[in-house]
Amino acid sequence: EAQVTQNPRYLITVTGKKLTVTCSQNMNHEYMSWYRQDPGLGLRQIYYSMNVEVTDKGDVPEGYKVSRKEKRNFPLILESPSPNQTSLYFCASSLSRGLSEQYFGPGTRLTVT
Amino acid sequence: SQQGEEDPQALSIQEGENATMNCSYKTSINNLQWYRQNSGRGLVHLILIRSNEREKHSGRLRVTLDTSKKSSSLLITASRAADTASYFCATSDYGNNRLAFGKGNQVVVIP
Repeated sequence: EAQVTQNPRYLITVTGKKLTVTCSQNMNHEYMSWYRQDPGLGLRQIYYSMNVEVTDKGDVPEGYKVSRKEKRNFPLILESPSPNQTSLYFCASSLSRGLSEQYFGPGTRLTVT
Repeated sequence: SQQGEEDPQALSIQEGENATMNCSYKTSINNLQWYRQNSGRGLVHLILIRSNEREKHSGRLRVTLDTSKKSSSLLITASRAADTASYFCATSDYGNNRLAFGKGNQVVVIP
């Protein structure tokens, strides 16, 4: 089954404790992206990747890191999480660039206390 | 930056009625897409309309695009309780490698 998976689905952590949210897709998509969703703000893009070893900042990249060492994986790293990073995070992938339909993962609900 | 802006933000209708929501954008686009999100879950792609298309249908969905007014509308005909969700429009342009999402449009279908 074609899908985007994210782990963990729920995470409660404390300020400053480094964490990684994994994202994996099995559709051989070139393009992958991370979004955060906050009430009243819609979806905002954090980082995206056009292909392996090619990443670029989205609208709200501060406080996040990403890497794309393999085509199927695109982890999101929070080196020192802060409470303002409490949010619902989505990973998405698409066949090419941002111009085609995107497939979304189920989401990761992160709470930073 | 956010480009798509949906209007109205919240809509409550009876089952069987039609639901219409609009989206406006600011710059030239390559395509415009609509997504659905059930409460707290991942977004699901509904339909994509290219800038050279004016109307597109998919099942009970009808999307129109007016590039002169920089706006799009999504019509859901004969709504069902299962259509209760948030609906987002997203635009992509030639100079960008990403989609810009609107803030979403909550639709509640009352059985």
